[in-house]
Amino acid sequence: AQKVTQAQTEISVVEKEDVTLDCVYETRDTTYYLFWYKQPPSGELVFLIRRNSFDEQNEISGRYSWNFQKSTSSFNFTITASQVVDSAVYFCALSEAGGSYIPTFGRGTSLIVHP
Amino acid sequence: GAGVSQSPSNKVTEKGKDVELRCDPISGHTALYWYRQRLGQGLEFLIYFQGNSAPDKSGLPSDRFSAERTGESVSTLTIQRTQQEDSAVYLCASSVRVSWGGDTQYFGPGTRLTVL
Repeated sequence: AQKVTQAQTEISVVEKEDVTLDCVYETRDTTYYLFWYKQPPSGELVFLIRRNSFDEQNEISGRYSWNFQKSTSSFNFTITASQVVDSAVYFCALSEAGGSYIPTFGRGTSLIVHP
Repeated sequence: GAGVSQSPSNKVTEKGKDVELRCDPISGHTALYWYRQRLGQGLEFLIYFQGNSAPDKSGLPSDRFSAERTGESVSTLTIQRTQQEDSAVYLCASSVRVSWGGDTQYFGPGTRLTVL
């Protein structure tokens, strides 16, 4: 069975600080996909990234970066020089190619960036 | 192009009444998903459609919940005899297909349901 753990319930930082959101997953499948979504106060989940299990290259997109490590079953998300607009709930999700087609979502991490 | 749309954005109803929530997926997306999100909680999967068939209804919390989809377009989630515990945001998502596990879901803005 697939499982996603986001142990950090809430993180509070001051603007311009770097912050890392942790995501640890469990799966028995060798082919799987990992996702991050952002849910701002408006409520709509916004897709950020998808990564397949065969691609362990880290990815950087502006101030966002993702560190995928199969050895530790983690797919962590770092925001560099955080801004108030980054305040949101961030969800990590996992779907298995050979199992249920429905992604499993973590419980989310609420990030609060103070000015 | 247009994203996933949901209506109404907010719905307040009295306990015991029926409600219908609507979702318009992205054009061309064959897969459609419904989730429930209670205040401060994560996403709870309810049901998904591939085309207009629903292979997996296991997430529906009770027989008061039902959903249907017309072809590969609009879906309606119906909650009969609403209870206060049904108060939540109901999110709809669509993806190109669901024949493999890596499809990216695109979410609508949600319908906030309040049962008094």
